Amino acid sequence: IAGITQAPTSQILAAGRRMTLRCTQDMRHNAMYWYRQDLGLGLRLIHYSNTAGTTGKGEVPDGYSVSRANTDDFPLTLASAVPSQTSVYFCASSSGQGETQYFGPGTRLLVL
Amino acid sequence: QQQVKQSPQSLIVQKGGISIINCAYENTAFDYFPWYQQFPGKGPALLIAIRPDVSEKKEGRFTISFNKSAKQFSLHIMDSQPGDSATYFCAAVVDDMRFGAGTRLTVKP
Repeated sequence: IAGITQAPTSQILAAGRRMTLRCTQDMRHNAMYWYRQDLGLGLRLIHYSNTAGTTGKGEVPDGYSVSRANTDDFPLTLASAVPSQTSVYFCASSSGQGETQYFGPGTRLLVL
Repeated sequence: QQQVKQSPQSLIVQKGGISIINCAYENTAFDYFPWYQQFPGKGPALLIAIRPDVSEKKEGRFTISFNKSAKQFSLHIMDSQPGDSATYFCAAVVDDMRFGAGTRLTVKP
């Protein structure tokens, strides 16, 4: 069982470009999440999905969009990347809202 | 506004010593308090968690102490080992999870 996989592992992106970070889980979890991790700020929730077909905004949603077409996949899109989006992005999943979250290995994104 | 405040930001402990990390929260609706451990280049992994109906939970060398009236909880690592060197995050959950800013623990041999 792989748990949660994220792709790419790392990426350097020119400002203004569009980028989609991929996340797939094989635990049949209902809820999925996207966080960004920045030094001194911990992990901040970008978007979440409590079940397939629904999404919601987290603490720092601006500049990001998500979709949840099925249970397993939860891609995060940066429509037009800016340098302030340089961060490490983690996808997570849980069996339900308020339950323990399990994290993927992260995507390191540098926007120049 | 940080809903969960974590301290210290960094901690250096000698091998065999006790590491203590503290967290405080404001929202009394939080009903689940996990601690995550993160090694460099890896995602956070659940270490231990507690619900507010108990004051302490112990798993091996790791103990959570919970003070509901003070809205504080802490992680104690007994007999700290170099392999415990990592970043530790506390979190509080009601519908979503709010993380503390993290504590970088270094255990010196």
